[in-house]
Amino acid sequence: DAGITQSPRHKVTETGTPVTLRCHQTENHRYMYWYRQDPGHGLRLIHYSYGVKDTDKGEVSDGYSVSRSKTEDFLLTLESATSSQTSVYFCAISERGQDEQYFGPGTRLTVT
Amino acid sequence: QKEVEQDPGPLSVPEGAIVSLNCTYSNSAFQYFMWYRQYSRKGPELLMYTYSSGNKEDGRFTAQVDKSSKYISLFIRDSQPSDSATYLCAMSAGGGNKLTFGTGTQLKVEL
Repeated sequence: DAGITQSPRHKVTETGTPVTLRCHQTENHRYMYWYRQDPGHGLRLIHYSYGVKDTDKGEVSDGYSVSRSKTEDFLLTLESATSSQTSVYFCAISERGQDEQYFGPGTRLTVT
Repeated sequence: QKEVEQDPGPLSVPEGAIVSLNCTYSNSAFQYFMWYRQYSRKGPELLMYTYSSGNKEDGRFTAQVDKSSKYISLFIRDSQPSDSATYLCAMSAGGGNKLTFGTGTQLKVEL
């Protein structure tokens, strides 16, 4: 998985609780992305980062926030989890803005 | 209508067959095209990456891009059971590289 790890790999949480997912890369790539994958929708971009402390929204950013304080780490936070955020979350990295993206192993999140 | 359309399948073929997977798109600004393979409960794995129109070959895999028709294809020759997976097309206009994905085609190669 191209030097990308995600933690936790599985999580079950209750509605209304905060959740933070972590993506860690060892490739020193500038760009990092968070996607969610749902049946019938494919992969959809939540947020992305183009450098330390530089982030921007994707197409499904409502209810999510991100932070990137170091090149290697990109955090995704659900401030108050809802059942609609039950999904598989993937982190991806890219060296340059026009390059191919490499994906991590995913985090399976269930909100009950 | 979605920006990228992909037949979800499932597509079932015998071992050794030539497989053709396709995506159509509506955004004429797309110029970077990718194919990913995703095994069950795993992350997507990059197979092919092409820029603009034309063909690209890598082993048993060939990617074709026809920008005039807004149509991309992935061909798999001599398909193997290990090719059984979901294949995702993805494309980007560049500049931050926000990828737009198809929903994936599930392929099963049977012995």
